[in-house]
Amino acid sequence: SQQGEEDPQALSIQEGENATMNCSYKTSINNLQWYRQNSGRGLVHLILIRSNEREKHSGRLRVTLDTSKKSSSLLITASRAADTASYFCATEHGNKLVFGAGTILRVKS
Amino acid sequence: DVKVTQSSRYLVKRTGEKVFLECVQDMDHENMFWYRQDPGLGLRLIYFSYDVKMKEKGDIPEGYSVSREKKERFSLILESASTNQTSMYLCASSPRTGGFQPQHFGDGTRLSIL
Repeated sequence: SQQGEEDPQALSIQEGENATMNCSYKTSINNLQWYRQNSGRGLVHLILIRSNEREKHSGRLRVTLDTSKKSSSLLITASRAADTASYFCATEHGNKLVFGAGTILRVKS
Repeated sequence: DVKVTQSSRYLVKRTGEKVFLECVQDMDHENMFWYRQDPGLGLRLIYFSYDVKMKEKGDIPEGYSVSREKKERFSLILESASTNQTSMYLCASSPRTGGFQPQHFGDGTRLSIL
């Protein structure tokens, strides 16, 4: 399978703490994307990192990419209750996106 | 903002019925996608379309078909619904510009087949 795999499957933290989620994939990529899904809703695109980039920031989000290890991480700093959601990484294969199974993040207030 | 609208949030149908799921996007995107989402399995691509009347099979096309008669509308059809097609169905769209673009998703249709 080309599917990315997120780790951990679930994460529970206190508001204000940082949350780190990891994604591993199997084949070489052009870019990797992270999406968020609130309960009962569709996915929302968070950030795209290209294969020639090592790190990217967007507000409280920081994404890193290590193509030699075929892995990426998503860091959410100073988490808020509203960050409670599922987070998915997705890799491009041809003209398709392949999603991992996701990490469920719960931020307790 | 791009808006992707799925016709129903919740749908209950019976085994053997022909089921239509509709998706409309308002941003003139060339690409449209249908996924199903099941716990622990993430999103799996059923079909996608990169132009009107064009379609390509995704990873799990069996038991499904699609129709794209207009650029803004992409329909998923369950030819003869079965209980194992109970799932959350998500539609997405993206532009076909240079480089791979993020996909924009609808809020999903939770389909139950009884």
